Amino acid sequence: SQQGEEDPQALSIQEGENATMNCSYKTSINNLQWYRQNSGRGLVHLILIRSNEREKHSGRLRVTLDTSKKSSSLLITASRAADTASYFCATDPTGNQFYFGTGTSLTVIP
Amino acid sequence: DTAVSQTPKYLVTQMGNDKSIKCEQNLGHDTMYWYKQDSKKFLKIMFSYNNKELIINETVPNRFSPKSPDKAHLNLHINSLELGDSAVYFCASSDGTGSYNEQFFGPGTRLTVL
Repeated sequence: SQQGEEDPQALSIQEGENATMNCSYKTSINNLQWYRQNSGRGLVHLILIRSNEREKHSGRLRVTLDTSKKSSSLLITASRAADTASYFCATDPTGNQFYFGTGTSLTVIP
Repeated sequence: DTAVSQTPKYLVTQMGNDKSIKCEQNLGHDTMYWYKQDSKKFLKIMFSYNNKELIINETVPNRFSPKSPDKAHLNLHINSLELGDSAVYFCASSDGTGSYNEQFFGPGTRLTVL
């Protein structure tokens, strides 16, 4: 299949800790995006990283991309209860559409 | 203002019925999508329209027919509903078709087929 696969499937941490989730994919990509989905809501875009970039930051988010390993990671620093959500990576093997995985379900315990 | 809106939010219906889900975006985007999210949260693209033209049509039963009356609207009609159609359907839009474009998602329509 062409979708990214997130790991772990579920993650539970204490507020203030860092959360790291990973995404692996199978074919070459042009871009990779990370999205967040709160329970019962639509997805919200977090960050895009291009294939020629290795790292990007946005606030408390840090995304890395290793195209040789076909993997990306999303780090959320100093987590908050409001970060509780599912996180999806989206990869674009064809260049004009994204394929999503099943996400990592993050629970931040206050 | 809701950027991408869908109606209805919940849809409960019997097997064999025909139903429609409507989607509207007020972002001025020219590209719209339909996704299906199953109970395991796997999100799968179904269709994509750019300026009212179908550009992506994944392997979806032909019981599903999208219609785009203008670039701000993309509706999904489903004929002869089956149990396996139960899922959450998301509409999304983006400014262009390239994969560098951020997609904006609607709140979803939870379809339950009994």
